[in-house]
Amino acid sequence: DIQMTQSPSSVSASVGDRVTITCRASQGISSWLAWYQQKPGKAPKLLIYAASSLQSGVPSRFSGSGSGTDFTLTISSLQPEDFATYYCQQANSFPPLFTFGPGTKVDIK
Amino acid sequence: QVQLVESGGGVVQPGRSLRLSCAASGFTFSSYGMHWVRQAPGKGLEWVAVIWYDGSNKYYADSVKGRFTISRDNSKNTLYLQMNSLRAEDTAVYYCARDLQAVAAPDAFDIWGQGTMVTVSS
Repeated sequence: DIQMTQSPSSVSASVGDRVTITCRASQGISSWLAWYQQKPGKAPKLLIYAASSLQSGVPSRFSGSGSGTDFTLTISSLQPEDFATYYCQQANSFPPLFTFGPGTKVDIK
Repeated sequence: QVQLVESGGGVVQPGRSLRLSCAASGFTFSSYGMHWVRQAPGKGLEWVAVIWYDGSNKYYADSVKGRFTISRDNSKNTLYLQMNSLRAEDTAVYYCARDLQAVAAPDAFDIWGQGTMVTVSS
């Protein structure tokens, strides 16, 4: 089975900071990677799919990159509403197993 | 608007069964693959199961294989999760979620329900 790791597990940042989160797959997954944002008590929200495609309605300060095993989510200028936990998720295995990463919590410095 | 609403959660004893439902509205339900994803209290997300848009394929996480069954009724725009032989470790919020792409291989999940809590405890 494909395993997903994320780093860091948590990051403290200030409004306006550039934040980068890394996700690594245990084997190559091409570009079959998505990123989600989750706030406490709420359902996750899709931010990025196919590694770098911005979901409709998501602010352009969010961007994704990478392919194969290494991926990044970047928030170019952190806004107050961006403090949340971020998860990566792969969709490349067969039989389909949509593994999530363990999450990265972004909180206020 | 596009919406998913889960129901059926509650408190159940270990070894018993429970069936969750997810009512879809605002989109052509029969064109989209659907998933169940769960989140134990204070933990991360765990994908549980997927069913193809036409019900032709179903896949499960190893942790629930043989105990849980995903199904759908496209005439009722409803997704189900039958959970048997429940264990304490199945305690979680259960979300239903829609595939991003219609009539395509599952990829990302763009629409999520609000979740329903399942507690397995004696």
